[in-house]
Amino acid sequence: DTEVTQTPKHLVMGMTNKKSLKCEQHMGHRAMYWYKQKAKKPPELMFVYSYEKLSINESVPSRFSPECPNSSLLNLHLHALQPEDSALYLCASSQDGRAENSPLHFGNGTRLTVT
Amino acid sequence: SQKIEQNSEALNIQEGKTATLTCNYTNYSPAYLQWYRQDPGRGPVFLLLIRENEKEKRKERLKVTFDTTLKQSLFHITASQPADSATYLCALLSNSGYALNFGKGTSLLVTP
Repeated sequence: DTEVTQTPKHLVMGMTNKKSLKCEQHMGHRAMYWYKQKAKKPPELMFVYSYEKLSINESVPSRFSPECPNSSLLNLHLHALQPEDSALYLCASSQDGRAENSPLHFGNGTRLTVT
Repeated sequence: SQKIEQNSEALNIQEGKTATLTCNYTNYSPAYLQWYRQDPGRGPVFLLLIRENEKEKRKERLKVTFDTTLKQSLFHITASQPADSATYLCALLSNSGYALNFGKGTSLLVTP
């Protein structure tokens, strides 16, 4: 088990649904990340929060909306997704907002299927 | 554009042998490089970080080298075991300083 907890583990949603992915860490890390990973591809960065502020949005469509309620929690709100958004969504944290100072700790992801 | 290249073909080796995986990069000026392990359906797990002024770093059966002139890192697993079977990802920091970019990974299969 990892120290970054993601829920749910699996999610199936229709294109008109609204759902949220949740991520929690209690390591005192001040940076949190959302990555998307398609089969046999590397993880691709979506968002970075540093000290609870959004510091990077990698041109992600607005149907994905991140939220960082506090330094331990990270949410990803989903609305009007497309089937091609089906993927493994990975949350990660690091000690501070610059990855060079500390490695990433990943959760085991939410496997999302959009029907 | 920035690229991280890892051998996309799977590497099959016999138990007990040394596995060597390669990571090449272009248009990065990294101060360090990281290696991660990923098992199917799970998130990547950090293994090692090597800085530009370190030629080599070891951790138990793992050894990483970093050649900034060749723009290459080699990742070695000595005395490999079937439990080492996984995908190994190389990662570099983007120029923004916040985003860690990953290579496609190399799948390693260690057979008894």
